[in-house]
Amino acid sequence: AQSVTQLDSQVPVFEEAPVELRCNYSSSVSVYLFWYVQYPNQGLQLLLKYLSGSTLVESINGFEAEFNKSQTSFHLRKPSVHISDTAEYFCAVLDDKIIFGKGTRLHILP
Amino acid sequence: NAGVTQTPKFQVLKTGQSMTLQCAQDMNHEYMSWYRQDPGMGLRLIHYSVGAGITDQGEVPNGYNVSRSTTEDFPLRLLSAAPSQTSVYFCASSYSIDRNTEAFFGQGTRLTVV
Repeated sequence: AQSVTQLDSQVPVFEEAPVELRCNYSSSVSVYLFWYVQYPNQGLQLLLKYLSGSTLVESINGFEAEFNKSQTSFHLRKPSVHISDTAEYFCAVLDDKIIFGKGTRLHILP
Repeated sequence: NAGVTQTPKFQVLKTGQSMTLQCAQDMNHEYMSWYRQDPGMGLRLIHYSVGAGITDQGEVPNGYNVSRSTTEDFPLRLLSAAPSQTSVYFCASSYSIDRNTEAFFGQGTRLTVV
């Protein structure tokens, strides 16, 4: 069965600084990967996804993630964070069901 | 479209009581699932369904029952509530599990068992 590991439970970063949230998955023949975001007191929303094709995927709000098969990683990056990016971010993998990592809480420091 | 609707938003139960968390979607999605979210544990899958009449267990199914009599509804039943079931519960649905798919989440039900 697939599994997902998010190594960092919390990541503090100053506003306008770059950030990387790490995600590693267990290897499989085919893999579909997702990043979801959860803003305070809300449900989860899809941020971006990798199904096939280009290994670099982007979201509409400046985040991007790169699928790296050799390192079994799907790290999420943003070159300059904003206070509105404060949220919890979940990496997920699609097997015969959707499996989530434990989440990374992004704290934006003024 | 309303998307995924969960009711109630908040609930307090006494130990041993039973209740049903409701989940409905109006997107004609085949796949529905229930997760619980606990601090430091992420989202853990309780039960899921790939279509009407079909359900399966996830990672933490004990103490919970589900049924899927229609495509739209996927209720989660707590048979005899325990303090360990205090959590935030999320229902999610997606078009299917084996295609280009995005999971849509409800707003959650915050359950406290005292």
